Amino acid sequence: SQQGEEDPQALSIQEGENATMNCSYKTSINNLQWYRQNSGRGLVHLILIRSNEREKHSGRLRVTLDTSKKSSSLLITASRAADTASYFCATDAMGNTDKLIFGTGTRLQVFP
Amino acid sequence: GEEVAQTPKHLVRGEGQKAKLYCAPIKGHSYVFWYQQVLKNEFKFLISFQNENVFDETGMPKERFSAKCLPNSPCSLEIQATKLEDSAVYFCASSPRTSGSNEQFFGPGTRLTVL
Repeated sequence: SQQGEEDPQALSIQEGENATMNCSYKTSINNLQWYRQNSGRGLVHLILIRSNEREKHSGRLRVTLDTSKKSSSLLITASRAADTASYFCATDAMGNTDKLIFGTGTRLQVFP
Repeated sequence: GEEVAQTPKHLVRGEGQKAKLYCAPIKGHSYVFWYQQVLKNEFKFLISFQNENVFDETGMPKERFSAKCLPNSPCSLEIQATKLEDSAVYFCASSPRTSGSNEQFFGPGTRLTVL
């Protein structure tokens, strides 16, 4: 069964607004990663947060991790039309062989 | 190379035909992963390799699917006797797996359509 669930499934915002996506997972993890997928393209790695980290920043991205709630959030600040894409969380479960278990994805649409 | 390369970009097969997909990992990356994405959302892990050795094959369907990573050759994923439900985008990813981090770098995918 799929490890992660993401919400919302879809999000539409105006340029300049912030976008927040949430991810929940089921088992203990080594790390959690966020990826972006533009339509018809491959996955682009955005950020990795380890299980002993609570928050991480990269440019306009802010990721939080709450291992007690088995959840993570991705915040994109000051969104741009170019941020329009699907965003996936992926977990590397403890005891696993590095395979990633993906969430269901959030489709983000940013209107200019 | 600096990017994961996958060929072909698109592959169309009639039901029952064989399909073979190729992946060239980033130079220096010793781990290769194959994932299947159906209907633009759910990703399913298929198999991983450490160099030419199978690392984890728990996601591979028992029948019809096979994969190899041979020295000095692209990795391959082969589906014998394709079925309609095999229609998906197949992604390959590679990882250097250093410092306890398994950041994976994905290729552009191969879209398989089974008619």
